[in-house]
Amino acid sequence: GDSVTQMEGPVTLSEEAFLTINCTYTATGYPSLFWYVQYPGEGLQLLLKATKADDKGSNKGFEATYRKETTSFHLEKGSVQVSDSAVYFCALTGGGGSQGNLIFGKGTKLSVKP
Amino acid sequence: KAGVTQTPRYLIKTRGQQVTLSCSPISGHRSVSWYQQTPGQGLQFLFEYFSETQRNKGNFPGRFSGRQFSNSRSEMNVSTLELGDSALYLCASSLATGNTNYGYTFGSGTRLTVV
Repeated sequence: GDSVTQMEGPVTLSEEAFLTINCTYTATGYPSLFWYVQYPGEGLQLLLKATKADDKGSNKGFEATYRKETTSFHLEKGSVQVSDSAVYFCALTGGGGSQGNLIFGKGTKLSVKP
Repeated sequence: KAGVTQTPRYLIKTRGQQVTLSCSPISGHRSVSWYQQTPGQGLQFLFEYFSETQRNKGNFPGRFSGRQFSNSRSEMNVSTLELGDSALYLCASSLATGNTNYGYTFGSGTRLTVV
């Protein structure tokens, strides 16, 4: 079945460092891809999305490009801040023909030190 | 604009009891999905509702059920609670019209502890 694989965390970076969180997927058809972020004690927030191959999603300095040839959707940010410390989830729309069945990766915890 | 509201935020129940969780989606959103989040299994899809109809269901036992009302509010019910049902239950809503994928907005969740 469809699945998402994220790099294992935790990831610890210094402020202003470059961030990459790898995400690869296995899916039939053409899923939409998402990155969600979860801050401590809160629900998930949609960070960015891409709905077709070669689309680039971007938000708050974060970017990810839908690469069908490598089945990847890596998250990048050029200069992280302490406030970016959170857990990041890569996800895709699952089967069943609906958008509401999201399949998530295990999450990657990011800690940014001042 | 109000976000997705889940009530209650925290709940403690005893094994064997049943529980009902509530979700009010963003105004205008007709699609509601539910997820269970645990440290071991991560985020797992429970079910999705659109216009009061269940469109999709995850791989959970029949003890887990849900419904959606005409105002798009949704409830999920877990009967005969087990210790393993302790989790954060997240509700998410979306416009989900036609073929446009708007993504889902999540609530803050209900933390259920079964003792």
